[in-house]
Amino acid sequence: DAKTTQPTSMDCAEGRAANLPCNHSTISGNEYVYWYRQIHSQGPQYIIHGLKNNETNEMASLIITEDRKSSTLILPHATLRDTAVYYCIVRGRNSGNTPLVFGKGTRLSVIA
Amino acid sequence: DGGITQSPKYLFRKEGQNVTLSCEQNLNHDAMYWYRQDPGQGLRLIYYSQIVNDFQKGDIAEGYSVSREKKESFPLTVTSAQKNPTAFYLCASSGPGTGNYEQYFGPGTRLTVT
Repeated sequence: DAKTTQPTSMDCAEGRAANLPCNHSTISGNEYVYWYRQIHSQGPQYIIHGLKNNETNEMASLIITEDRKSSTLILPHATLRDTAVYYCIVRGRNSGNTPLVFGKGTRLSVIA
Repeated sequence: DGGITQSPKYLFRKEGQNVTLSCEQNLNHDAMYWYRQDPGQGLRLIYYSQIVNDFQKGDIAEGYSVSREKKESFPLTVTSAQKNPTAFYLCASSGPGTGNYEQYFGPGTRLTVT
């Protein structure tokens, strides 16, 4: 699986959009971008994933650049409960039931 | 209410004792995983199992053992051979139900060994 690079930490004002970047310059054509988040002292939670088109669900939007070398997770109206560590993970299309490889992620602090 | 349960949430043991962490899922997932997390770090894989009665070592399996006798259960034993057992332990499962194989995590067990 391709390696990812994320900023160590970010701050965001409550009610504003939080934009979390991820670089994955060595991503291959059959690899997806996944995002998970981990609220303090809890297990990680799946957020969203995508291949090349932008994706949106009830939690967030995922914007993947045309060359697929980077992506941005967008939380449109951040709340204090969105304070967490966000992990960007690249996985092969046919990974199926295989383990996730976690980096250190981005620690997002939402400030009132 | 479907999900993954881990018990207990906090566990304290004396050095030299083996301890078993429980993980149960009722999601009918084939695969289950154990990860370890140290303060300020990402998760590291200890063991995983893709099917009953079969499991594979992860990156940091030394000092740990697992069993997978039932689909629903994947207990982890931290043995006295594990040099630094104090950590946050997370169990997860995955399956083809949603088509995406995303992993569902339990709430974790925080183990302290003194």
